[in-house]
Amino acid sequence: GAGVSQTPSNKVTEKGKYVELRCDPISGHTALYWYRQSLGQGPEFLIYFQGTGAADDSGLPNDRFFAVRPEGSVSTLKIQRTERGDSAVYLCASRWGTNRIQETQYFGPGTRLLVL
Amino acid sequence: AQSVAQPEDQVNVAEGNPLTVKCTYSVSGNPYLFWYVQYPNRGLQFLLKYITGDNLVKGSYGFEAEFNKSQTSFHLKKPSALVSDSALYFCAVRPRLLGSSNTGKLIFGQGTTLQVKP
Repeated sequence: GAGVSQTPSNKVTEKGKYVELRCDPISGHTALYWYRQSLGQGPEFLIYFQGTGAADDSGLPNDRFFAVRPEGSVSTLKIQRTERGDSAVYLCASRWGTNRIQETQYFGPGTRLLVL
Repeated sequence: AQSVAQPEDQVNVAEGNPLTVKCTYSVSGNPYLFWYVQYPNRGLQFLLKYITGDNLVKGSYGFEAEFNKSQTSFHLKKPSALVSDSALYFCAVRPRLLGSSNTGKLIFGQGTTLQVKP
């Protein structure tokens, strides 16, 4: 079956611009996560959705970052007034999302963001 | 602070030899433990996980990992390495928290590059 998909695969933008990154989770998965992976580092948690609501946004670095999941499926990560330090690979992951948090998270291929 | 350490930036082994990629963690309680692999320009691919039970966990592509509670370690192993195993490997933990803190977010190590030479 289809895995997690993310679009675009690459995004180049200029400092100060607004960007949107899209994640389409595995069908039926109600839990969705965004992570950010900087060069040479492991992924770092940004935000977690259970259904339509952001259950944990403690990893968002500042108020320029925002994410939505209006229908409980596709999610969009939005970054305002981009800075060069935002350049990274943004990864999305999903799991079934019952109370069994031991369930495996499955990751998408990521969006590579470059802010010039 | 909760953290995961992968002490080796790179591990080099010859094809056919056994390999070990090390991981230790500092997380309260009894976390769930995971290994993922990342190939160039690809997302993270799940290899295996420890939830409970037998300390030796078997996963995909002949990989296994040994959980050691006293040493808070979860080392990845394979009896006979293949050149195609060359990739970036990440250890991750998922703390077991209570109530609304129980979100399932993963804490990752910084990754270890495995290089298998013919």
